[in-house]
Amino acid sequence: GAVVSQHPSRVICKSGTSVKIECRSLDFQATTMFWYRQFPKQSLMLMATSNEGSKATYEQGVEKDKFLINHASLTLSTLTVTSAHPEDSSFYICSAHNSLDEKLFFGSGTQLSVL
Amino acid sequence: QKEVEQDPGPLSVPEGAIVSLNCTYSNSAFQYFMWYRQYSRKGPELLMYTYSSGNKEDGRFTAQVDKSSKYISLFIRDSQPSDSATYLCAMSAQGNTPLVFGKGTRLSVIA
Repeated sequence: GAVVSQHPSRVICKSGTSVKIECRSLDFQATTMFWYRQFPKQSLMLMATSNEGSKATYEQGVEKDKFLINHASLTLSTLTVTSAHPEDSSFYICSAHNSLDEKLFFGSGTQLSVL
Repeated sequence: QKEVEQDPGPLSVPEGAIVSLNCTYSNSAFQYFMWYRQYSRKGPELLMYTYSSGNKEDGRFTAQVDKSSKYISLFIRDSQPSDSATYLCAMSAQGNTPLVFGKGTRLSVIA
């Protein structure tokens, strides 16, 4: 199946620092990528929809200045958590939509821990 | 009523059992239906994908969609301990719109 690479898999950082997470579709072009957040034993919560070459669309309650999304190419989207705080600690997962078969594939996730 | 309802379980079955996982939904516009398997601290893995109604079989997995009842199912035959994971149903009205997920069902297959 299609592969979506997400990096890094785990980040531990101090409060106040910024963290960038990369999401790459390795064998297909993805005009649309999605970013999710997941707390332990809970389902995925959509944060934003990222479209190549345009501004991301954020879900209600998600701060766009806090979670910066860039989708500069058809294979890469990045999520930057700016001035991270302990409450931002979570599991972040990206997904990429393959427009050829309409399937959605997920990255392996990034566990962010803010101290 | 939530858009997608899924019993969170946990569901525990003996090895070799047939597992039935289900979701109901309220939005009649949904056309794309997917089942994902997620292991702890990993990203979801696409298991089955169905467009519109019907059945689809892949190895030990069978997905069913009944749009008239707004009900989808995933069957796992000859379940194995390695099938122990959380299973998420997901659906959307259009291919490139965000999926709406169920809460996930935690499955444990006991050897």
